[in-house]
Amino acid sequence: GENVEQHPSTLSVQEGDSAVIKCTYSDSASNYFPWYKQELGKGPQLIIDIRSNVGEKKDQRIAVTLNKTAKHFSLHITETQPEDSAVYFCAALRGNTNAGKSTFGDGTTLTVKP
Amino acid sequence: ETGVTQSPTHLIKTRGQQVTLRCSSQSGHNTVSWYQQALGQGPQFIFQYYREEENGRGNFPPRFSGLQFPNYSSELNVNALELDDSALYLCASSLRAGTNYGYTFGSGTRLTVV
Repeated sequence: GENVEQHPSTLSVQEGDSAVIKCTYSDSASNYFPWYKQELGKGPQLIIDIRSNVGEKKDQRIAVTLNKTAKHFSLHITETQPEDSAVYFCAALRGNTNAGKSTFGDGTTLTVKP
Repeated sequence: ETGVTQSPTHLIKTRGQQVTLRCSSQSGHNTVSWYQQALGQGPQFIFQYYREEENGRGNFPPRFSGLQFPNYSSELNVNALELDDSALYLCASSLRAGTNYGYTFGSGTRLTVV
């Protein structure tokens, strides 16, 4: 089955700096890669996703890049703010099956210091 | 538009007991997936329900079972509880199975088995 590894497990940045979180996956058939943000006491919230026919996607301060050949994808957050502090999860799944069967990484705890 | 709601929010059970967790999917969503999230880890896929039928299952024993009702709400039942079942149980709904749609998570039920 699919295996997703996520690095780093913790990341501390100064407000205004950029943060990068990286994930690798094992199943070359995976073609949908969502990123989730989980705040304390809440469920994961989808923040951005990318499909395998796209190399990069951007939404304001958040961007995701995908390298299908190397089987890795990354989340980039620019101009970080204290409210970006949370646990971030990457996930991967094989398309045209079921959106619910995602395999998640173990998460990155991002701390943005004011 | 209402989001995904789960009940109860917290629950304490004794080893060997049975538990039922409930989930109401987001309006318009007919697919519900259940995840187990142990402390410090990413969510692990338990199973998915689509139109009242189980539509895929992760690596969980048969004592984890579920139901989906005509209104697309769902239940997760766990029999013969073990200490390792202590976790946050997340429900996620999506527009429909078989497509690469992101999904909406509830805030989860924190289950503690003592």
